[in-house]
Amino acid sequence: KAGVTQTPRYLIKTRGQQVTLSCSPISGHRSVSWYQQTPGQGLQFLFEYFSETQRNKGNFPGRFSGRQFSNSRSEMNVSTLELGDSALYLCASSLGTSGGEQFFGPGTRLTVL
Amino acid sequence: SQELEQSPQSLIVQEGKNLTINCTSSKTLYGLYWYKQKYGEGLIFLMMLQKGGEEKSHEKITAKLDEKKQQSSLHITASQPSHAGIYLCGAPFSGGYQKVTFGTGTKLQVIP
Repeated sequence: KAGVTQTPRYLIKTRGQQVTLSCSPISGHRSVSWYQQTPGQGLQFLFEYFSETQRNKGNFPGRFSGRQFSNSRSEMNVSTLELGDSALYLCASSLGTSGGEQFFGPGTRLTVL
Repeated sequence: SQELEQSPQSLIVQEGKNLTINCTSSKTLYGLYWYKQKYGEGLIFLMMLQKGGEEKSHEKITAKLDEKKQQSSLHITASQPSHAGIYLCGAPFSGGYQKVTFGTGTKLQVIP
């Protein structure tokens, strides 16, 4: 069974640009959660999508958005990039049921110059 | 303040030694995840604990959930260089099991 895949693995952008990250969950998983990891703030929850609907949201500004497609693949978009958005972005997939294990992808390393 | 505090923040042990990492919550725990992360990479799922007093083991790693103390511990027996990495605990406080709050992390180095 293939694991969670994220593309691209590395990205370099400049301030003011926007970026789209992609996550393909494990086959059969309907929930995709996104996290941001930085040295200063650690690992923080961004949002979760389940069956194409945003089910949970963290405390991030509206510049961070996402969506999920009918095949459960998810994309995350960050508009008007700031230097502080440089981070490792991780997605996690799960069945979406209570008590379900979350499996993480390798992450996308975003650098904003 | 952090909802999940891990201790110690970093640990250096000699190969073959046992070690324990603690995760303390400021809120009631309804479940707890343990993950391992190699620097700059994704998280590797270790185990999930859901009931007070529950204890799970995988190879040489054992984790226990003590809900009364709002604490979990991860114990590694006879550590090996392959155990090196960052250990993270995570808990679903609200919004379901897919919205996880993570601890501050414990960096483990194992010296051969």
